[in-house]
Amino acid sequence: QSALTQPASVSGSPGQSITISCTGASSDVGSDKLVSWYQHSPGNSPTLIISEGTKRPSGVSDRFSGSTSGNTASLTISGLQADDEAVYYCSSHAGYETVLFGGGTKLTVL
Amino acid sequence: QINLVQSGAEVKKPGSSVRVSCKVSGGIFNSYTISWLRQAPGQGLEWMGRAIPMLRISNYAQKFQGRVTITADESTATVYLDLSSLRSDDTAMYYCARDQWDSRSIWFDPWGQGTLVTVSS
Repeated sequence: QSALTQPASVSGSPGQSITISCTGASSDVGSDKLVSWYQHSPGNSPTLIISEGTKRPSGVSDRFSGSTSGNTASLTISGLQADDEAVYYCSSHAGYETVLFGGGTKLTVL
Repeated sequence: QINLVQSGAEVKKPGSSVRVSCKVSGGIFNSYTISWLRQAPGQGLEWMGRAIPMLRISNYAQKFQGRVTITADESTATVYLDLSSLRSDDTAMYYCARDQWDSRSIWFDPWGQGTLVTVSS
């Protein structure tokens, strides 16, 4: 089972919006599986920012939003802030014992 | 509010084994499913397997089957990861996390603080 495909890096200026893509296959994202997204800052553990494709856990800013089209899921961060700088991972599953992650996207706030 | 606290860093020799623990507090232990994941230096996240205390079973990623054992101790509300036949490429930060899974999705929240395992001769 192949990992999910994310761009290695994206960048944006404060206040701008950016979108990170996460492309899967017909057996995972393309088969109506819903993606979760994680923010991973250096020295910290990953934190969940989007579950079930579009749901934000309590305490997560509404500047973070998720969507899916076909076999590609997307994370959009609006109103970029300096502390959004982190690595972002998407995840899905293709069965109970097959959990997939993207390679991670490093977000740089210029 | 569930909280996960992991054991401290380990340094191991190639060919040996390591045990990492994850103490669960808050809520009902048996109501949770706890996964183990890892991140090698410069690499992404990788799921290793999970324990389902209520059912007393564990599931493993195919890559780790035969080399990893995940167990849950209800009496101490602790989940253990045992990894054997360690190699240098097992050097990684290991995380436990509560996982929630259904037919369409899986997500991990919260995560433990991480345990660094270094394999070196």
